[in-house]
Amino acid sequence: DAGITQSPRHKVTETGTPVTLRCHQTENHRYMYWYRQDPGHGLRLIHYSYGVKDTDKGEVSDGYSVSRSKTEDFLLTLESATSSQTSVYFCAISRDRASQETQYFGPGTRLLVL
Amino acid sequence: EDQVTQSPEALRLQEGESSSLNCSYTVSGLRGLFWYRQDPGKGPEFLFTLYSAGEEKEKERLKATLTKKESFLHITAPKPEDSATYLCAVQAAAGSYQLTFGKGTKLSVIP
Repeated sequence: DAGITQSPRHKVTETGTPVTLRCHQTENHRYMYWYRQDPGHGLRLIHYSYGVKDTDKGEVSDGYSVSRSKTEDFLLTLESATSSQTSVYFCAISRDRASQETQYFGPGTRLLVL
Repeated sequence: EDQVTQSPEALRLQEGESSSLNCSYTVSGLRGLFWYRQDPGKGPEFLFTLYSAGEEKEKERLKATLTKKESFLHITAPKPEDSATYLCAVQAAAGSYQLTFGKGTKLSVIP
C-alpha cells in the first residue's frame, strides 16, 4: 500500500460546524488530491495540490477549502458543514500530474453531517 | 465534457464463469485510462493504466484492453476474492489532467 493515512476515519458532526480532514503521506509525492464518493456518482475531485502552498480547485470545490503547509500533509476543511457534504472522502497522491502518473488512494474518511 | 460510463452496474458470476466489464468513454484526446478495484469500506486500489488503442495488460485473472471508444476488463475463471467494485477513470490529454471516474461495476463471484 502507498503510504497514505487519513484522519479521522469516521466523523459525525452537526450542520454549521467546521470540520477538518487530514491526509498524510510518507511517499514524498508532489501531488495530492481530495475526492468525494457518493452513491450514484463516480469519484469527484474537490481540490488538489501541486506543491507546498500551491492548490487549485476541482470539479466540486464549493464549500471546501484546502491547505498544504508541508509536503506530507494536505488538509481539507469544511468551513460550515452541510448535510449535502455527508460523504466518503478520499485522499490520493501522485508523483507528478503528467501523463502516466498513477494516483494512489488512501483508506477514506466517512463523514456524516446531521 | 469528459464522460465515463461503466456497464453493467452489477454483475453476479459463478466461480469459474468468465466475463467482461465495459468502460465506454468520451474524452477530448485520451492521455490514459485507469482501472481500479475497490473493496467495501476501503480506498480504490490501482490495477492498470492503458495509454493507446490496442494496448493490453494482464494481472493474474484480469486482463484490460483498450480501443478508441472503450475499455474492457476481462475476468477469467473468477474466484470469490475477486468480488469488488471495479472503477474506470480517464485522463484527458489537455487541460488540468483531472481524472474522470465512472460509477463502477459491482462484481460478485458466488462460490
